[in-house]
Amino acid sequence: GAVVSQHPSWVICKSGTSVKIECRSLDFQATTMFWYRQFPKQSLMLMATSNEGSKATYEQGVEKDKFLINHASLTLSTLTVTSAHPEDSSFYICSASALGLAGVGRANEQFFGPGTRLTVL
Amino acid sequence: QQQVKQSPQSLIVQKGGIPIINCAYENTAFDYFPWYQQFPGKGPALLIAIRPDVSEKKEGRFTISFNKSAKQFSLHIMDSQPGDSATYFCAALVRGNEKLTFGTGTRLTIIP
Repeated sequence: GAVVSQHPSWVICKSGTSVKIECRSLDFQATTMFWYRQFPKQSLMLMATSNEGSKATYEQGVEKDKFLINHASLTLSTLTVTSAHPEDSSFYICSASALGLAGVGRANEQFFGPGTRLTVL
Repeated sequence: QQQVKQSPQSLIVQKGGIPIINCAYENTAFDYFPWYQQFPGKGPALLIAIRPDVSEKKEGRFTISFNKSAKQFSLHIMDSQPGDSATYFCAALVRGNEKLTFGTGTRLTIIP
């Protein structure tokens, strides 16, 4: 149980276009979803936290108008990279947590998706 | 601000050896300390986690040692195998906050 999927797994786009990445919790309802960015050989950097039906909370330095997050349901969150540029090329990873959901992991446990490799040409 | 420091950056161990990865934290409010394993091109997966009220936790070949007074914790991998070659991240969390603070990662290579 506690599987998180991401789609697409990789995407190549031209500079100036927008790209949408989906994150789904497949077998549980996620209280909160998180979006991370990871550059090669670096750690995960939290971009934003989102709760279903409310606006995402962005980390300092992350442009909310560039990285649009929509969390329309308890099983789906989307990240849209608007007007992407080569410097946005990175590995984007989502995670989901389900506080208080008995039998699914432990309190505070985040279940990570497989990641999406974005390359902007 | 790097709140969780991880070392070493990379580690090469022979098969059967016991790699040890160390982490140190500053924020005494942290009360949940997970370790994640990440293979290239994949998302991280939870290996084992510990709360500060215990000094050691074992799950299979993985052991966390925790020293609350020193604000340090470490991951030991017993009987390491080439399949354990991956990047390992320690992390810390304040319960109720949900935001994970990750260490910088350790690239582990187990040679046959």
